[in-house]
Amino acid sequence: AQKITQTQPGMFVQEKEAVTLDCTYDTSDPSYGLFWYKQPSSGEMIFLIYQGSYDQQNATEGRYSLNFQKARKSANLVISASQLGDSAMYFCAMRSYNNNDMRFGAGTRLTVKP
Amino acid sequence: NAGVTQTPKFRILKIGQSMTLQCTQDMNHNYMYWYRQDPGMGLKLIYYSVGAGITDKGEVPNGYNVSRSTTEDFPLRLELAAPSQTSVYFCASSAATGTPGETQYFGPGTRLLVL
Repeated sequence: AQKITQTQPGMFVQEKEAVTLDCTYDTSDPSYGLFWYKQPSSGEMIFLIYQGSYDQQNATEGRYSLNFQKARKSANLVISASQLGDSAMYFCAMRSYNNNDMRFGAGTRLTVKP
Repeated sequence: NAGVTQTPKFRILKIGQSMTLQCTQDMNHNYMYWYRQDPGMGLKLIYYSVGAGITDKGEVPNGYNVSRSTTEDFPLRLELAAPSQTSVYFCASSAATGTPGETQYFGPGTRLLVL
């Protein structure tokens, strides 16, 4: 069975600094995808970044990058130059190639301090 | 292009009542999903559909039913509401690209309270 673990219930970061949100996963499927979503206080789910299990390079999208360590089964999200608007819940999720079941972690609440 | 829309935004049900949560997407996506998010938790998949007429169970299907008669619509039915179904319900859709990287686009959610 697939499992996603986010061990940081809450994180604080100073504005303009970088922050890393941890995510580890467990799966026996060789082909899978890892996702990060942002959920602001308004409640909507916003897609941030995707990493495929066979991708050779770590994914980047603007200020977001994914530190993918396949052997350690970790897919940490790095946010550079934090902004006040980055304050939100962040969810890591995984979906295997042979399964439409997307599994989400419990989330990390990020607070950016001015 | 509205994306994924959900109605209602908020609903209070009494125990034992029934209701249908509506979900519509205008992106011509084949795949559609229903999730629930309990307070302080991540999303859990209830049901999904890979096309009109095809549905399948997710991680937490008990107490729910779905149908998919058109590409655009994917309603979620609660037959006998229970307090354990108090949650925020999200509908999502994605294109059928056949890869794990299909991005799911989420609706704004429906907040349901069962008393």
